[in-house]
Amino acid sequence: KAGVTQTPRYLIKTRGQQVTLSCSPISGHRSVSWYQQTPGQGLQFLFEYFSETQRNKGNFPGRFSGRQFSNSRSEMNVSTLELGDSALYLCASSATGADEQYFGPGTRLTVT
Amino acid sequence: AQSVTQLDSQVPVFEEAPVELRCNYSSSVSVYLFWYVQYPNQGLQLLLKYLSGSTLVKGINGFEAEFNKSQTSFHLRKPSVHISDTAEYFCAVSRSGSARQLTFGSGTQLTVLP
Repeated sequence: KAGVTQTPRYLIKTRGQQVTLSCSPISGHRSVSWYQQTPGQGLQFLFEYFSETQRNKGNFPGRFSGRQFSNSRSEMNVSTLELGDSALYLCASSATGADEQYFGPGTRLTVT
Repeated sequence: AQSVTQLDSQVPVFEEAPVELRCNYSSSVSVYLFWYVQYPNQGLQLLLKYLSGSTLVKGINGFEAEFNKSQTSFHLRKPSVHISDTAEYFCAVSRSGSARQLTFGSGTQLTVLP
């Protein structure tokens, strides 16, 4: 089976812009979670989607949003980018959300 | 809510020596526990997991971990490390029954020296 894929792998944006990141889960997996990884804050949970519904949300401002499509692919959007949004954004999928998560390679976002 | 403490930020060890990476957690409910490894410029790879049952868990690449409920620990061990084990290791916890919202420790950089 193919693993979790994320596109793009690298992205450079300017403060104030918005960005959309994409995640394709492992075939058959219905749960997709997003995490932000920074040197200062480490790995932090953003949100989780299952069957197109957001089930859990971490402690991030409303500028961070996401959605999931009927084929389980997910996107996350960050509006009005700030320098502090520079991070590695990781997507993970699991079959149901009750079992282990498998991570993609991440999207490295740099905000200048 | 859960929290995870990885007691060592960096662990240098010589090749073929044993290693233990320490992880303690805090939770008011039953938990699932995981160890992930991250190589440079890559995502996280699942090493092993504890969901229930035997407290000694074996994972990939010769790693194992022991769940100790009384000490709220889940230390990762390998009897003989290789240069290729050099990476960052993360301990993570979730509420039992749901692995979809992981809380991670701050990571331990394992460096294997020749």
